[in-house]
Amino acid sequence: GIQVEQSPPDLILQEGANSTLRCNFSDSVNNLQWFHQNPWGQLINLFYIPSGTKQNGRLSATTVATERYSLLYISSSQTTDSGVYFCAVGNTDKLIFGTGTRLQVFP
Amino acid sequence: ETGVTQTPRHLVMGMTNKKSLKCEQHLGHNAMYWYKQSAKKPLELMFVYNFKEQTENNSVPSRFSPECPNSSHLFLHLHTLQPEDSALYLCASSHTGAGGYTFGSGTRLTVV
Repeated sequence: GIQVEQSPPDLILQEGANSTLRCNFSDSVNNLQWFHQNPWGQLINLFYIPSGTKQNGRLSATTVATERYSLLYISSSQTTDSGVYFCAVGNTDKLIFGTGTRLQVFP
Repeated sequence: ETGVTQTPRHLVMGMTNKKSLKCEQHLGHNAMYWYKQSAKKPLELMFVYNFKEQTENNSVPSRFSPECPNSSHLFLHLHTLQPEDSALYLCASSHTGAGGYTFGSGTRLTVV
């Protein structure tokens, strides 16, 4: 099956810093999504981005499907950005999740 | 609220009990999913339903029995569970083949 690797596994930032999270996957996919799981367990969809670049406020994402990776950029981080960021990839409706990047933002 | 509602939020059950988890979405989606999230593990896909039909069973033990009576409702019936089944069970929905998933808040299950 498809393998999904996320890096770094853990990230500690001071408020205001920028960061880049990476997702590598082992096979071609037509579905790639980024999620944020807050400390209470709620998973929020950030981007549906099988290819190309998208931006939403302080967050942006880029997927280079031909090279099998995606990047999530967080600018001017805030304490509310803390949590776990998951990349999920797949074909049709079978999404496989990575192990996540745990982000802690301190004031 | 995200548009996907899961009940109950917390559940403690004995190994001989029978219980059901419920998921409801009013987003007009036609695909619904059950995922399991255990400590120290990635989210694991359990079941996929498209237009009420099961299209994926990811080798889930028969003590977990899904039911999808219509495109808006999804149930997970539980019986004779084991302590290792304790986890956060997440329901999601989407348009088939396109668009992002919307997840519910999950049911945190503890089997004693």
